[in-house]
Amino acid sequence: KAGVTQTPRYLIKTRGQQVTLSCSPISGHRSVSWYQQTPGQGLQFLFEYFSETQRNKGNFPGRFSGRQFSNSRSEMNVSTLELGDSALYLCASSLGGRVGTDTQYFGPGTRLTVL
Amino acid sequence: QKEVEQNSGPLSVPEGAIASLNCTYSDRGSQSFFWYRQYSGKSPELIMSIYSNGDKEDGRFTAQLNKASQYVSLLIRDSQPSDSATYLCAVKRDTSYGKLTFGQGTILTVHP
Repeated sequence: KAGVTQTPRYLIKTRGQQVTLSCSPISGHRSVSWYQQTPGQGLQFLFEYFSETQRNKGNFPGRFSGRQFSNSRSEMNVSTLELGDSALYLCASSLGGRVGTDTQYFGPGTRLTVL
Repeated sequence: QKEVEQNSGPLSVPEGAIASLNCTYSDRGSQSFFWYRQYSGKSPELIMSIYSNGDKEDGRFTAQLNKASQYVSLLIRDSQPSDSATYLCAVKRDTSYGKLTFGQGTILTVHP
């Protein structure tokens, strides 16, 4: 099976711009979770989508949004970029069950740099 | 108090030794526990998952869980230089869709 794919792998933007990142989950996986990883804060949960519905959301401002399509591919958008948004953005896919055995597999990430 | 805390690093062990990585968590509702390995510049890669108290072994890796003490650990036997990476402990509530809560990670260096 192909793994989780994320595009683009690298992005450079300037403050005030917006950005859209894409994630394609493992075939058969219906849940996509997004995380932000920075040296200072580590890995932090942004949100999770399952069957085109956001089921869970972390403590990030409304500038961070996402969506999921019927083929389970997901996008996240960050509007009005700030310098502090520079980070590695990771998506993880899973089957999406509620039980704890639902394991997440990470994509390679998108490295976003905001200048 | 952080929700998930890992033993401060970096941890340095000689090749062939046992590396011991520790993690404590504060949420008693946590029911699933995961260890991920992250090489520099790469994304996290799942090593082990554990859900019940006790030990779970997979090759050179053993995860140990003690829910009463809110403690989970990872032992790496016969450590190899290729094991040098950051090890991330993650916990999950069954009631929290898709959300893993991560510790800050422990940097492990295995020197020849």
